[in-house]
Amino acid sequence: EADIYQTPRYLVIGTGKKITLECSQTMGHDKMYWYQQDPGMELHLIHYSYGVNSTEKGDLSSESTVSRIRTEHFPLTLESARPSHTSQYLCASGDSLGETQYFGPGTRLLVL
Amino acid sequence: GEDVEQSLFLSVREGDSSVINCTYTDSSSTYLYWYKQEPGAGLQLLTYIFSNMDMKQDQRLTVLLNKKDKHLSLRIADTQTGDSAIYFCAERTGGFKTIFGAGTRLFVKA
Repeated sequence: EADIYQTPRYLVIGTGKKITLECSQTMGHDKMYWYQQDPGMELHLIHYSYGVNSTEKGDLSSESTVSRIRTEHFPLTLESARPSHTSQYLCASGDSLGETQYFGPGTRLLVL
Repeated sequence: GEDVEQSLFLSVREGDSSVINCTYTDSSSTYLYWYKQEPGAGLQLLTYIFSNMDMKQDQRLTVLLNKKDKHLSLRIADTQTGDSAIYFCAERTGGFKTIFGAGTRLFVKA
């Protein structure tokens, strides 16, 4: 059973606000990932990290930023939310081999 | 480029078997995965298969891998209404990336 948590689960916010989506895992995994997924659609990798102080942009361009100061924590920040950011954001982690990714429950974001 | 393709929809009757198909392009893939996503939730790992295996069975789930054709399938025996969900196929490429398909929406009719 994977122990990976995301908060908040749901967020409704106005345009221009700064928001941070939290992701934490208790498995000691080195690798962590953020995906963006519109409801019922495919996943798009937006950020990943292979360890502390390591962050990379994914395949899909995103206006968000991430940080990895601690192994267990990989927050995603939007400096100024826009309606185009409305989506579901899924966090995942994997061990040092990174062969299998374990997903959190997701954060559903609505920007008005 | 690397790609994973799946049919978008599958509809079956309760009690029948479901077969969800997937094709991938990277012949050096190491692992292939099946994930399940229920509405409003994250992805749940169902099963995975090493690229040197042909078949893996886990209770009602059977995974078949045809490396020559780069074809992966997931068979769900005795499909139940609780199996209704989106099923994602994914491959771990030789370049250590995980590529996900667009998902197959399984509808189970009572």
